[in-house]
Amino acid sequence: GQNIDQPTEMTATEGAIVQINCTYQTSGFNGLFWYQQHAGEAPTFLSYNVLDGLEEKGRFSSFLSRSKGYSYLLLKELQMKDSASYLCAPLDSNYQLIWGAGTKLIIKP
Amino acid sequence: IAGITQAPTSQILAAGRRMTLRCTQDMRHNAMYWYRQDLGLGLRLIHYSNTAGTTGKGEVPDGYSVSRANTDDFPLTLASAVPSQTSVYFCASSDSREGPGELFFGEGSRLTVL
Repeated sequence: GQNIDQPTEMTATEGAIVQINCTYQTSGFNGLFWYQQHAGEAPTFLSYNVLDGLEEKGRFSSFLSRSKGYSYLLLKELQMKDSASYLCAPLDSNYQLIWGAGTKLIIKP
Repeated sequence: IAGITQAPTSQILAAGRRMTLRCTQDMRHNAMYWYRQDLGLGLRLIHYSNTAGTTGKGEVPDGYSVSRANTDDFPLTLASAVPSQTSVYFCASSDSREGPGELFFGEGSRLTVL
């Protein structure tokens, strides 16, 4: 079966760094997406990884290891506005997105 | 720039009633999707359309139908609503021709079936 595992909730301090992990098991693999979703709002695209390694985009970076079925999202210099849920979504062999339940990130002053 | 517009944003509905959630995009994207989001679960795909005139079933299609008469519109119909269809519904679109690339989401429609 297909499965996504990410922590339900994490807490971090403003200005700090946090890493949100995601492990996945899918039928085939065609890349992995991260989305951000603020409470009561729609998800918005953060990153897409298809090759192993780290992709950096400003304060946010995303890492992928295809052999380990593992990805993480790294958020630096945390701001209060980063309080949101972060959704991990690999793309399977049929190009269907398999969505995790999301990690709720709480930022404290 | 509107992007994707969903209507209504919120609706309370009696069980057994018919309901259509509207979705319109102005980005000329080929692919459109309907998801439902429930607490503690990931987004689940209901139906999708890779291009105007074609539709396909997602993970949880039962009780729902869609149509794609043109590029811009992708309505979702609940023929006879049941309480288990209480959820937040998101419409999304993508310009990717090979499965969903970056998805652009509407603001969601919160549906309560009593």
